Amino acid sequence: AQKITQTQPGMFVQEKEAVTLDCTYDTSDPSYGLFWYKQPSSGEMIFLIYQGSYDQQNATEGRYSLNFQKARKSANLVISASQLGDSAMYFCAMRKRSNTGKLIFGQGTTLQVKP
Amino acid sequence: EPEVTQTPSHQVTQMGQEVILRCVPISNHLYFYWYRQILGQKVEFLVSFYNNEISEKSEIFDDQFSVERPDGSNFTLKIRSTKLEDSAMYFCASTEEAGSGYTFGSGTRLTVV
Repeated sequence: AQKITQTQPGMFVQEKEAVTLDCTYDTSDPSYGLFWYKQPSSGEMIFLIYQGSYDQQNATEGRYSLNFQKARKSANLVISASQLGDSAMYFCAMRKRSNTGKLIFGQGTTLQVKP
Repeated sequence: EPEVTQTPSHQVTQMGQEVILRCVPISNHLYFYWYRQILGQKVEFLVSFYNNEISEKSEIFDDQFSVERPDGSNFTLKIRSTKLEDSAMYFCASTEEAGSGYTFGSGTRLTVV
C-alpha cells in the first residue's frame, strides 16, 4: 500500500535561515509523482513543487527545492532564506500514476518562522 | 490564472440535514476530485470523477455521499444526512490529465452542529 510519512509535527526556523522538511514515502510502483503543498492559516492549498519518479534532477522552484533520494524513498523540501510568510502547514503528497490520479497526503509539518 | 472556485466558503448545518458543496473546476480540466481535511489533520481523498462517473472512491465515501456534474461546469458533493464527524474542510480539485497539474479550490469549511 502507498504511504507518505512526515515525522516532524512542528518545526521552527529563524528568518533568513534555510529549513528542511522531511518526507518519506512507500510505494511499489515504478512511476509516481511527489508534491509539496503549503497551507497557510487561511486554509487554502498552495502548490509548491513537483518531482517525478523518473526525473534525473532535483526539482527547484524559486526558494523551494526538493531533495529527492529515490533509493531512500525520501523527498525532503528545502526552503532557503525563510521569510515570516513561510509560516504555515506543509504537506507532502504522492500521486500514483493511474486512471484516477488521486493524491495521498502525509500528516503535515507546521513551520514557524521566527523574526 | 485559472482557478477552481468553491462555494460557500463556510457552511453551518444541523446534524441530519443535507448539504451540497459546490465547485466550479477549471474549464478544460477533465478529472475532478473531492478531498476532506478534519481540523488539524491530514488531507484525505474522498472521490475522483471522470467522464461523468466516479472513477475511484475511498472508504470514507459511503452511501451518505454523492457527487454530480449537473451542467458541465459545476461539480457538487452532497452529504445526505450530516453527522457531527462530517465537520471538516472540503477541497475540490481538478486536473487536465490524471495526476498532473492539480489545482485546488480554497475549500468549504463545513460545521455540523
